[in-house]
Order: sequence, then C-alpha cells, then structure tokens
Amino acid sequence: AQSVAQPEDQVNVAEGNPLTVKCTYSVSGNPYLFWYVQYPNRGLQFLLKYITGDNLVKGSYGFEAEFNKSQTSFHLKKPSALVSDSALYFCAVSAWTGGFKTIFGAGTRLFVKA
Amino acid sequence: DAGVIQSPRHEVTEMGQEVTLRCKPISGHDYLFWYRQTMMRGLELLIYFNNNVPIDDSGMPEDRFSAKMPNASFSTLKIQPSEPRDSAVYFCASSLGGISGNTIYFGEGSWLTVV
Repeated sequence: AQSVAQPEDQVNVAEGNPLTVKCTYSVSGNPYLFWYVQYPNRGLQFLLKYITGDNLVKGSYGFEAEFNKSQTSFHLKKPSALVSDSALYFCAVSAWTGGFKTIFGAGTRLFVKA
Repeated sequence: DAGVIQSPRHEVTEMGQEVTLRCKPISGHDYLFWYRQTMMRGLELLIYFNNNVPIDDSGMPEDRFSAKMPNASFSTLKIQPSEPRDSAVYFCASSLGGISGNTIYFGEGSWLTVV
C-alpha cells in the first residue's frame, strides 16, 4: 500500500530566508511524486512533479524539490521565501495499482512572516 | 481551456436529505477522482475512475455514499441519507494518466454543510 507522510503540521519562516517542507513516501514500484499548493477557499494547484531523471525538479513560483530514493523523501524547497508563499502544501504519490492511484499527505501549513 | 467544473459550489442541507454533487472533468482526461477534505482527516481519496470505470472505491466511507460516471464528461457523488459528519469540502479532480505522469487538476470544490 502506498502512503505519504508530512511530518510537520506547520512551518514558519521569515521572508527572504530559505524554506523546506518535508515529505516522505512509501510505495511499491516506481513512484510519481508531486507537490500541490492550496490557497484559502480554493482547490489544489499543481506545483511540480518527479517522474524520472534528474533528482532535482524545478516547478512553479521558484519552488524545487529533491527526490532521494534511499531516504524515500521528496522535500519541497525554495531559496528565498515570500509572504505570498503562505499557504497549505500537499505532497502526493501516484502509483500503479490497477490504475494510477494518487493519495495525498496531511498537508503542511507554511507561514512566511514579513 | 475550462478546468474541472463542480456544482454546486455551496450546499446546506438538512440531515437525512439526499445530496448530489456534480463534476465535469477536463476534456480528454481519462482519470477522475473524488476527494473529501476536512480539518480532522485531511484530504481523503474516496473513489477514482479510469475511462469511466470505477477502479478503487475503498475510500468511500459507507453505503450512504455512491459515485457514478455515466460518460467521459460527467460524474456524480451522491450521499443518501446525509449526516452532519458528512460536512466537508468535496473535490473532483481529473488527470491524463500513463506516461504523462498523472498530474491532477482540481475543481474549486463543493462545500457541503449538513445541519
């Protein structure tokens, strides 16, 4: 069975500082890994994904994520946080189980303080 | 290009009533997902379809919940009878599976309150 863990309910960072939002996963076979962002009262929006190839994936709004197979992690990073990055971030894993089943982590709320 | 369209956006209903949520996926997408989001349980996958066929409904809470996809452009999630604990935001999402990597596109959600 596949699973996703986001160990932090909340991450606080000052504007201009680097940010990391953590994600670990468990899946049989090759995973497709994703990060999504949710702003208040909205649906989730795709940020980036890892399918294969380079372990460092770049996505929207200056975000990037690093796939680490040995640690089964896919942490989201940004070199310099903005106040507008404050939102709820979800890590997700998609794997073939007779169809592409995608499940999400519990979410991490990011607060960027000016 | 239109995204995933859900209706109604907001619904308030009395306990015991039937609730039907509707979804139009992005044209050409072959996967459709129904998720439920609550503060307590986060984002739960209820059921997903591939080419209109239900693949995994293990997340459907109980028999009061049912979902259908009669064609590639329409799906419904029905709750009958509804209960206060069903109050949540219900998201429909669609994707193009396979080698594309299955990026999921979400609708804006249906906010359900059962009183």
